[in-house]
Amino acid sequence: KAGVTQTPRYLIKTRGQQVTLSCSPISGHRSVSWYQQTPGQGLQFLFEYFSETQRNKGNFPGRFSGRQFSNSRSEMNVSTLELGDSALYLCASSQLAGGSGANVLTFGAGSRLTVL
Amino acid sequence: AQSVTQLGSHVSVSEGALVLLRCNYSSSVPPYLFWYVQYPNQGLQLLLKYTTGATLVKGINGFEAEFKKSETSFHLTKPSAHMSDAAEYFCAVSDLTGTASKLTFGTGTRLQVTL
Repeated sequence: KAGVTQTPRYLIKTRGQQVTLSCSPISGHRSVSWYQQTPGQGLQFLFEYFSETQRNKGNFPGRFSGRQFSNSRSEMNVSTLELGDSALYLCASSQLAGGSGANVLTFGAGSRLTVL
Repeated sequence: AQSVTQLGSHVSVSEGALVLLRCNYSSSVPPYLFWYVQYPNQGLQLLLKYTTGATLVKGINGFEAEFKKSETSFHLTKPSAHMSDAAEYFCAVSDLTGTASKLTFGTGTRLQVTL
């Protein structure tokens, strides 16, 4: 069974540009979540999508957005990039959304974004 | 608001020694607790989780953790460290009423294993 696939793995952008990251969940998983990992702030929740609907959103500015397609694949977009957006962006998928202890997140390897 | 505190950003042990990584949580409701491991240039891999029931939880690679409500702790242990255990370890919490997808992570503990 294929794991969570994130593309691209590495990318470099300049300030002011925008970027789109892609995440393909494990087959059969309908929930996709995104996290940002930085040395200073650690792992922070960005948002979660389930059945093409955003169910939860973290405390990030509106420059950060996402969407989910009917096949459960998800994309996140960051517009008007700032230096502080340099981070590892991790996508995780799970079978369900909602408060179930059996609902374990499986993470992808991440997309490492560098903003110059 | 829930939170977790990991004591010690770096822990160094000798190969074969006991591994103890500390995690304390704060939650107004009974929590779900998780330990994840991250190897260099990789994502997070689940080691173990506590939801309800048995307070001693066994995970992969010989790791286990004990949920102690009275101490609000969920420390991770392994009896004998191996070189391959060198990685960063994250404790995380979510609450029973919310989505398990929204985890609050600790700041991580980097485990170094020496010969």
